[in-house]
Amino acid sequence: QQQVKQSPQSLIVQKGGISIINCAYENTAFDYFPWYQQFPGKGPALLIAIRPDVSEKKEGRFTISFNKSAKQFSLHIMDSQPGDSATYFCAAMRAGNNRKLIWGLGTSLAVNP
Amino acid sequence: KAGVTQTPRYLIKTRGQQVTLSCSPISGHRSVSWYQQTPGQGLQFLFEYFSETQRNKGNFPGRFSGRQFSNSRSEMNVSTLELGDSALYLCASSLDEGPEAFFGQGTRLTVV
Repeated sequence: QQQVKQSPQSLIVQKGGISIINCAYENTAFDYFPWYQQFPGKGPALLIAIRPDVSEKKEGRFTISFNKSAKQFSLHIMDSQPGDSATYFCAAMRAGNNRKLIWGLGTSLAVNP
Repeated sequence: KAGVTQTPRYLIKTRGQQVTLSCSPISGHRSVSWYQQTPGQGLQFLFEYFSETQRNKGNFPGRFSGRQFSNSRSEMNVSTLELGDSALYLCASSLDEGPEAFFGQGTRLTVV
């Protein structure tokens, strides 16, 4: 069963627009929620991450919003650029000596110029 | 600072053979995790090694194994390859003090 559900599967946004990707999780033991960006032929690159004690975290054009009660978190990419076209993955990890990342299935983002 | 290095980048193997993949973590990182990425299943955790000990294991058959050396370099072995083992195998390294995982470019394994 999918412990982290990601939507949409694909997204097309115009340059300068806002890209929004959503994830929902089931396991309340998760306490670390990263977003990764992956370009074709490359490994995933850590973009931004959040802990459940924070409702929002912003780094440049990238913002994570976190809703602990709803068990949901989302990535917002402001002023989207063609160079942001990639696959984005949300993930979750439990606390402790456990580096097992549980992944969403990914969102393929295309930003049209 | 060098990133995570995985070798080889590409491999083609025949069904029934075995394969060994290598991962050199970022200098100073002692935790190495392995993931399998396929279009259908996405990214799935294989196992994690820390200080030469397997600390965590995913739900993969025993044909998938790994080890870590004293310099933190890790190898992953898949025996009796099946067509379904075709995937991108990713290695991630982490400092033990934090959850952040940094990935290599992966090894693309094709089983024919």
